[in-house]
Amino acid sequence: GDSVTQMEGPVTLSEEAFLTINCTYTATGYPSLFWYVQYPGEGLQLLLKATKADDKGSNKGFEATYRKETTSFHLEKGSVQVSDSAVYFCALSGLTGGGNKLTFGTGTQLKVEL
Amino acid sequence: DTEVTQTPKHLVMGMTNKKSLKCEQHMGHRAMYWYKQKAKKPPELMFVYSYEKLSINESVPSRFSPECPNSSLLNLHLHALQPEDSALYLCASSQGIRDSNTGELFFGEGSRLTVL
Repeated sequence: GDSVTQMEGPVTLSEEAFLTINCTYTATGYPSLFWYVQYPGEGLQLLLKATKADDKGSNKGFEATYRKETTSFHLEKGSVQVSDSAVYFCALSGLTGGGNKLTFGTGTQLKVEL
Repeated sequence: DTEVTQTPKHLVMGMTNKKSLKCEQHMGHRAMYWYKQKAKKPPELMFVYSYEKLSINESVPSRFSPECPNSSLLNLHLHALQPEDSALYLCASSQGIRDSNTGELFFGEGSRLTVL
């Protein structure tokens, strides 16, 4: 079945540091790939997405590229801020007869300090 | 309007109570979802409604009973819950499988449930 593996956290960075959170996946077919972010006490927000190989998703300074050859979708940001502190989930979407079935990674907690 | 609205935001109930969680979206989505999320874990799928019909039930105990009165509303009825059911319950919606569909789910803020 489908699966997503992302790097364990927590990750602690200083403000303005470079961020990489690794994500790899196993899936049949050609799933869409997503990064969702969850701020403390809130629901999940879509951060960025890519629907086919070599697509680059980007939003709020975050980027991720859909790499089919390495089955990866690593999240990067050049300069993190304290406000980026949150839990980040990598996910893939498989279309079933019943709807979109999201498979999530375990989540990576990011803490950014001054 | 790109919001999924959930009520209540917080709910405390005893094991003998009956309560309901409500979810509403006005994006014209034809698929709606209930997820359960425990602390420091990813969300787990519970139910999917597709075109107002229950299409996926991930072997959820019968003390959780979903209902989809129309294409904009989704309820989760709770009865005789256990303390281990305490969690954040997330509602989500997406385009239907017969529509132009990028696979994206839109999530609400969640209802935090505590069972005493």
